[in-house]
Amino acid sequence: AQSVTQLGSHVSVSEGALVLLRCNYSSSVPPYLFWYVQYPNQGLQLLLKYTSAATLVKGINGFEAEFKKSETSFHLTKPSAHMSDAAEYFCAVSGKLTFGTGTRLQVTL
Amino acid sequence: EAQVTQNPRYLITVTGKKLTVTCSQNMNHEYMSWYRQDPGLGLRQIYYSMNVEVTDKGDVPEGYKVSRKEKRNFPLILESPSPNQTSLYFCASSHRDSRNYGYTFGSGTRLTVV
Repeated sequence: AQSVTQLGSHVSVSEGALVLLRCNYSSSVPPYLFWYVQYPNQGLQLLLKYTSAATLVKGINGFEAEFKKSETSFHLTKPSAHMSDAAEYFCAVSGKLTFGTGTRLQVTL
Repeated sequence: EAQVTQNPRYLITVTGKKLTVTCSQNMNHEYMSWYRQDPGLGLRQIYYSMNVEVTDKGDVPEGYKVSRKEKRNFPLILESPSPNQTSLYFCASSHRDSRNYGYTFGSGTRLTVV
């Protein structure tokens, strides 16, 4: 069985500060991992994905994530938060695409 | 434009009145799936389909039906909706090897059952 755990349902950062959203996974096979972003009143948009090619994955809008097998983690980071990053972020593990419960990112001035 | 189209975007209905939410994709994807999104629970899979005439239950299938008669369409049917099915629903599709390609999501259908 596969699962993901997202630590922190709400994260608040100041504009310009580091963004760190945590995701830990459980999988009986080598995982394929995804981060999706959901802006208010919109669907899910793929932010980035890990498919075993490289452990550091770069995505859209300046986000990146690092796959750490020893820690079973796939945390999402961005060096400098922008107001437009305020959204809900979901980590997911494939093949059936199982989602975490989401982290709502708030960015303050 | 490659997309997954859901209709309607918003729906308010009464308990017990059958309804169908349509989903269509124009990418020739083999795999299609329905999710519901609820606060604090993330997205949970309702049903999925690996190809035409091949469907299977996800994690929360009770109270829902699906069909896959054509490759592009995957409607979600609520035969007798109840208030606990009030939720935000998403349809998604991908190529067979979804692990490499990822999934494309529709814009969502917000359903309220009163």
